[in-house]
Amino acid sequence: EVQLVESGGGLVQPGGSLRLSCAASGFTVSTYYMSWVRQAPGKGLEWVSVLYSDGAGGNTYYADSVKGRFSISRDNSNNTLYLQMNSLRAEDTAVYSCARWVGASVYWYFDVWGRGTLVTVSS
Amino acid sequence: DIQMTQSPSSLSASVGDRVTITCRASQTISTYLNWYQQRPGKAPEVLIYGVSSLKGGVPSRFSGSGSGTHFTLTISSLQPEDFATYYCQQSYSTPDSFGQGTKLEIK
Repeated sequence: EVQLVESGGGLVQPGGSLRLSCAASGFTVSTYYMSWVRQAPGKGLEWVSVLYSDGAGGNTYYADSVKGRFSISRDNSNNTLYLQMNSLRAEDTAVYSCARWVGASVYWYFDVWGRGTLVTVSS
Repeated sequence: DIQMTQSPSSLSASVGDRVTITCRASQTISTYLNWYQQRPGKAPEVLIYGVSSLKGGVPSRFSGSGSGTHFTLTISSLQPEDFATYYCQQSYSTPDSFGQGTKLEIK
């Protein structure tokens, strides 16, 4: 079964750091584009970051709101995606979900999502 | 960056109703437009990609149309399981931005 399971969320003070993990099963993370998407309490979906597959060069991109503070990466041996979050702010409080980005002909969409892990930034 | 704007933000309807949700892009995105459904406490699920292509297993009462900057999602006859929040998303350029969502509630 294709599945994504996030972990690593929790309560952190403003300015602190946290590393989120996304363990994949049923497929190989390195062969897909993988993203992080967040949802603040009661709010909509916000795209955070993408990591291209190894075959596509492993490029990374970030939303302006997290650029320079967050870093996406993966461990192919553990089939796990990560999001390192530094200099956290109150506005980063959200449920963070990883998602698989797939293409059908020329169109791309998220076809598998994790349940998410809650990050709360508060003093 | 491309901004996506949905309307309405919320909508009350009854089982059997036909409903339409609109999504507008701040610049042309051709037909690179997806629709997701998110039920409370659940992860989003893709319904439609490329404006009008139904994901396998999605009921045919869901349909999408549009191109350029104006898009619509139509549910032809609402069923109880359709009451959820719907998001559009552009995949034309990174960042692949979402609309703010449309919450569909039971009247």
